[in-house]
Amino acid sequence: GAVVSQHPSWVICKSGTSVKIECRSLDFQATTMFWYRQFPKQSLMLMATSNEGSKATYEQGVEKDKFLINHASLTLSTLTVTSAHPEDSSFYICSARAVWDGSYEQYFGPGTRLTVT
Amino acid sequence: QKEVEQDPGPLSVPEGAIVSLNCTYSNSAFQYFMWYRQYSRKGPELLMYTYSSGNKEDGRFTAQVDKSSKYISLFIRDSQPSDSATYLCAKYGQNFVFGPGTRLSVLP
Repeated sequence: GAVVSQHPSWVICKSGTSVKIECRSLDFQATTMFWYRQFPKQSLMLMATSNEGSKATYEQGVEKDKFLINHASLTLSTLTVTSAHPEDSSFYICSARAVWDGSYEQYFGPGTRLTVT
Repeated sequence: QKEVEQDPGPLSVPEGAIVSLNCTYSNSAFQYFMWYRQYSRKGPELLMYTYSSGNKEDGRFTAQVDKSSKYISLFIRDSQPSDSATYLCAKYGQNFVFGPGTRLSVLP
């Protein structure tokens, strides 16, 4: 089956620093990737939609200058949390959309737990 | 009204019980529906998807879609403690829309 990986799986950083999270589709090409954040015991919240070769589309309320998204290839998207603050501590999950025989499926990465101290 | 609504639970059942998880949706512009399972501190994993009304079965899991009432269900037979997770329904039309998830606990 389709596999999506994320790196790192867990990161602790100091307030004010930047953190980059990678999302890769390992065995398929994904023209579209999605970034979500999830607070404890809450559902996924879509942050942005990333299309290969173009600027990401951010959801309302998500600061595009704070959460930088780059989708440089069909298998890699990155999310950079700039000038991180403790309130940015969350579980960040990416997903990649695959197209099989004209239908769409969405596969999720394992998530990255970010803790900002 | 949210596009996809789901009872957040928590839902607790004894081992071996049949579990029924339900979602309703408001927008008829869809292509198909999916159910995801998410264990604590893990990313969601795709369980099942279905294109049309009726039932789709996969092992202990059955997905059901009723377009007339805009209702989708996931049934788990012979539930196991390992089924304890959050279950998210989702629909795909122009984009993916997820329900908030239902937390299920299967007690041994």
